[in-house]
Amino acid sequence: GAGVSQTPSNKVTEKGKYVELRCDPISGHTALYWYRQSLGQGPEFLIYFQGTGAADDSGLPNDRFFAVRPEGSVSTLKIQRTERGDSAVYLCASSLSRQETQYFGPGTRLLVL
Amino acid sequence: AQSVAQPEDQVNVAEGNPLTVKCTYSVSGNPYLFWYVQYPNRGLQFLLKYITGDNLVKGSYGFEAEFNKSQTSFHLKKPSALVSDSALYFCAVRAGSSNTGKLIFGQGTTLQVKP
Repeated sequence: GAGVSQTPSNKVTEKGKYVELRCDPISGHTALYWYRQSLGQGPEFLIYFQGTGAADDSGLPNDRFFAVRPEGSVSTLKIQRTERGDSAVYLCASSLSRQETQYFGPGTRLLVL
Repeated sequence: AQSVAQPEDQVNVAEGNPLTVKCTYSVSGNPYLFWYVQYPNRGLQFLLKYITGDNLVKGSYGFEAEFNKSQTSFHLKKPSALVSDSALYFCAVRAGSSNTGKLIFGQGTTLQVKP
């Protein structure tokens, strides 16, 4: 079956611009996660959705970062006033529930110039 | 606080030889432990997990891992390495009591298998 998909695969933007990153989870998966992976590092947790609600957003670095999942399926990670330090690969994962294995998408590579 | 340590940045092994990629963890309560593999410009691919039960867990592509509670370790192993196993490997942990299921990852270990 189809796995987790993320678009775009690459995004180049200028400092100060707004970006949106999209995640389409595996069908039927109620839990959805966003992680950020900087060069040479392991992924770091950003936010967890159970259904439509953000159950844990403790990993969001500041209020420039926001994510939504309005219908409990597709999620969008939004970054305002991008900074060069936001450059990273943004990974999305989904699972049947928070107890189950997380399956990751290919990621969106964000470069802020 | 939860944490994962992968003490080796890189592991080099000859094809056909056994391989071990090390992982130690720190978590409150019972740990849920995972191994993922990442190929260049790809997302993370699930290999195996330990939740409870037998300490030796078998996973995809002939990989296995051994949970050792006293040493707080979860080393990844394979009896005979393949060149195609060359990739970046991540160990991850979450607390069994976690309300969110968020994973804490190690820094990753690059496995290089030479012909």
